[in-house]
Amino acid sequence: DAGVIQSPRHEVTEMGQEVTLRCKPISGHNSLFWYRQTMMRGLELLIYFNNNVPIDDSGMPEDRFSAKMPNASFSTLKIQPSEPRDSAVYFCASSPWGSGKTQYFGPGTRLLVL
Amino acid sequence: TQLLEQSPQFLSIQEGENLTVYCNSSSVFSSLQWYRQEPGEGPVLLVTVVTGGEVKKLKRLTFQFGDARKDSSLHITAAQPGDTGLYLCAGALYGQNFVFGPGTRLSVLP
Repeated sequence: DAGVIQSPRHEVTEMGQEVTLRCKPISGHNSLFWYRQTMMRGLELLIYFNNNVPIDDSGMPEDRFSAKMPNASFSTLKIQPSEPRDSAVYFCASSPWGSGKTQYFGPGTRLLVL
Repeated sequence: TQLLEQSPQFLSIQEGENLTVYCNSSSVFSSLQWYRQEPGEGPVLLVTVVTGGEVKKLKRLTFQFGDARKDSSLHITAAQPGDTGLYLCAGALYGQNFVFGPGTRLSVLP
């Protein structure tokens, strides 16, 4: 069975450019999470969706970050404009419906903003 | 402030040694999980504990949930280089999603 799919796996861009990260959750999972991981701050929850609806975006660092989930099988995280401090590994995870359910992580997108 | 604290932050040991890492909080969790993350990959679930005092074993790994459901430990016996990685604990408050700790980065040297 396919797990969570993320693309691209690596992204190098210049400061000021728009970056779009993509995620396909596990089929049948109702919840989707976006995380950012750095050495300094660890794994931070940015936003999560239940049934395609954003529930908690309090972890989104600034207005430069936005996330959408147009349908149950696709989500995007967009950074516009990107800055060097956005460099990190971005993970998408999905879980079945309900609190306290196990999250299944994708392989991550390693973003470097020059 | 972090909901979960993990210690030690870094640990480097020789192959064959035993080790214990800890996950602590002042909050009571309905369940707690341990994940291992290898370089270049996402975290992968190792175990879920739900009952205070519960002990679970996974080959050379032993997981314990504290009686008060506020803390947990992971003990590895006879560590191997393949155990190298970032160990994350994640706790779920009642009715909430899991929240992750900062992790313990383990390096097992051959």
